[in-house]
Amino acid sequence: NAGVTQTPKFRVLKTGQSMTLLCAQDMNHEYMYWYRQDPGMGLRLIHYSVGEGTTAKGEVPDGYNVSRLKKQNFLLGLESAAPSQTSVYFCASSYSLSGNTIYFGEGSWLTVV
Amino acid sequence: AQSVTQLDSHVSVSEGTPVLLRCNYSSSYSPSLFWYVQHPNKGLQLLLKYTSAATLVKGINGFEAEFKKSETSFHLTKPSAHMSDAAEYFCVVSRFDGGATNKLIFGTGTLLAVQP
Repeated sequence: NAGVTQTPKFRVLKTGQSMTLLCAQDMNHEYMYWYRQDPGMGLRLIHYSVGEGTTAKGEVPDGYNVSRLKKQNFLLGLESAAPSQTSVYFCASSYSLSGNTIYFGEGSWLTVV
Repeated sequence: AQSVTQLDSHVSVSEGTPVLLRCNYSSSYSPSLFWYVQHPNKGLQLLLKYTSAATLVKGINGFEAEFKKSETSFHLTKPSAHMSDAAEYFCVVSRFDGGATNKLIFGTGTLLAVQP
């Protein structure tokens, strides 16, 4: 009954460091998403994937890369972290298209100093 | 283009009194609309969703929302607030991208405080 699991939950990075956030879902969903949440701005879509081996840009893709090598995993990478990337990151997944519920992970708190 | 506006950034109610969180949407398609709740340091949990069936949608924890096309609104209500309802609430419209994905457009959130 895990749903969507994100690791790590908390991380502090220095400017210029790289890191990868891992998202795993056990619901056999085709669609997976990475969002960032900033105060007063709701959630904004970074990248998404419509199936294994595919990725696409969302609203705010700059500074991030993603990979979907396995259907159940969706990785978000920061190659050279910047303070502007301090945020809470949420992974999500859904079965198919419009009208289907999107399930969220519990979030990853990232601070870049 | 789809968009969603949450009319109040903060709402404060007393325990036991009604809750009203307001949301207006704009959509060129028949929208799917959702309310999500986020408790402090937690992920987002689906409260309820509207997908063109009944206009009055019942969700978890006693919440409900009514889809009013003429007013382009999807307000969230609860008859009697409980302390555990204190959280941030997001109104969301689903944008079907013509075969790509169901991108969610989030409102900026309403922080609900419940006073004892």
